[in-house]
Amino acid sequence: NAGVMQNPRHLVRRRGQEARLRCSPMKGHSHVYWYRQLPEEGLKFMVYLQKENIIDESGMPKERFSAEFPKEGPSILRIQQVVRGDSAAYFCASSPPGGNYGYTFGSGTRLTVV
Amino acid sequence: EDKVVQSPLSLVVHEGDTVTLNCSYEVTNFRSLLWYKQEKKAPTFLFMLTSSGIEKKSGRLSSILDKKELSSILNITATQTGDSAIYLCAAYNTDKLIFGTGTRLQVFP
Repeated sequence: NAGVMQNPRHLVRRRGQEARLRCSPMKGHSHVYWYRQLPEEGLKFMVYLQKENIIDESGMPKERFSAEFPKEGPSILRIQQVVRGDSAAYFCASSPPGGNYGYTFGSGTRLTVV
Repeated sequence: EDKVVQSPLSLVVHEGDTVTLNCSYEVTNFRSLLWYKQEKKAPTFLFMLTSSGIEKKSGRLSSILDKKELSSILNITATQTGDSAIYLCAAYNTDKLIFGTGTRLQVFP
């Protein structure tokens, strides 16, 4: 039973390019959460999704960032026209139906914008 | 605005010492408090606390929640170098975890 799978592990993008981060939740988990961690900081909530629905996107920047969790396939966090300030570790977590607190985190994607 | 505050920010100790990490929270619709350990990669779950005054233990680690004071502590006794990590506290409200900035613990031999 694989855990939460994130890919890629490391992603380097030039300013202005697009970044796509993928997250496959644990088997049986239907809730996905994205968090961002800047150097020397805690995890900041970005968005909470269920299949085909965005439940809470209160932590998402208003521009350039979007997230989806389609009926089939992984959840995608998309960052358009990346800037240096987007450089961070992006963690995905999943939880079972019912959204209980049993979060399992993936290993994260480290995005570097050059 | 919901917030979780941890102290100290950083702690340096020798092996064998006992440490206490603090967490306070101001969160609407508070449900529970969670502790995680983060080394190089993903945070790994340590404890979830829902009821006030009931200590949870796992080996040398223990934690307790005080709902009256809106706080929690994480104790680590007889620290080892393998305990070196960032310890994250998070409060769960209606639908998400709100994290503190973490306490960086360094244990030297």
